[in-house]
Amino acid sequence: AQRVTQPEKLLSVFKGAPVELKCNYSYSGSPELFWYVQYSRQRLQLLLRHISRESIKGFTADLNKGETSFHLKKPFAQEEDSAMYYCALRRDDKIIFGKGTRLHILP
Amino acid sequence: GAGVSQSPSNKVTEKGKDVELRCDPISGHTALYWYRQSLGQGLEFLIYFQGNSAPDKSGLPSDRFSAERTGGSVSTLTIQRTQQEDSAVYLCASSSEVIGTSGNTIYFGEGSWLTVV
Repeated sequence: AQRVTQPEKLLSVFKGAPVELKCNYSYSGSPELFWYVQYSRQRLQLLLRHISRESIKGFTADLNKGETSFHLKKPFAQEEDSAMYYCALRRDDKIIFGKGTRLHILP
Repeated sequence: GAGVSQSPSNKVTEKGKDVELRCDPISGHTALYWYRQSLGQGLEFLIYFQGNSAPDKSGLPSDRFSAERTGGSVSTLTIQRTQQEDSAVYLCASSSEVIGTSGNTIYFGEGSWLTVV
């Protein structure tokens, strides 16, 4: 079965420290992966997708097919990064989401 | 409109009652998705529409859940005989084409928070 696993429900990181939000997937084909973010009192929105190989708000994510991972990283955390982060996988015509990781940036 | 609009934003209902949740997608978007967001469960896919048809209803939790879309625009998610475990945020999203198109993005509404007491 195709699924997305985010092992951490909550991640607390000090401001200025590096951030890594873990995501592992299982998919039989060629995966298309995304990270979505939901800030407090805002709607869920796309942060980045692996096919774009982009850096958004200092975040990057590299698809590692050998480890079936798509971890989200940022070298220096900022307080405004506190939010709920969802890793997601495109399966056929829909997006399948992980259970999410709440990132809490400590001052 | 400028974004995906959902109503009501909050709904408290008694167990056993029926509820209707409405989604108004971004104008011109042909694909529409319903998800359920529960504490500890993340985002569960419920159903999606391409135009007025629903190719994939696999995520609907039970036959108490149904959805329709008319005119290729507004969609209604109906939950009959609500149960306490139906309490969640119901999110609607739309995209200009079905997600299978590479590079496409889905846009989410703010959700309808349903509480069954």
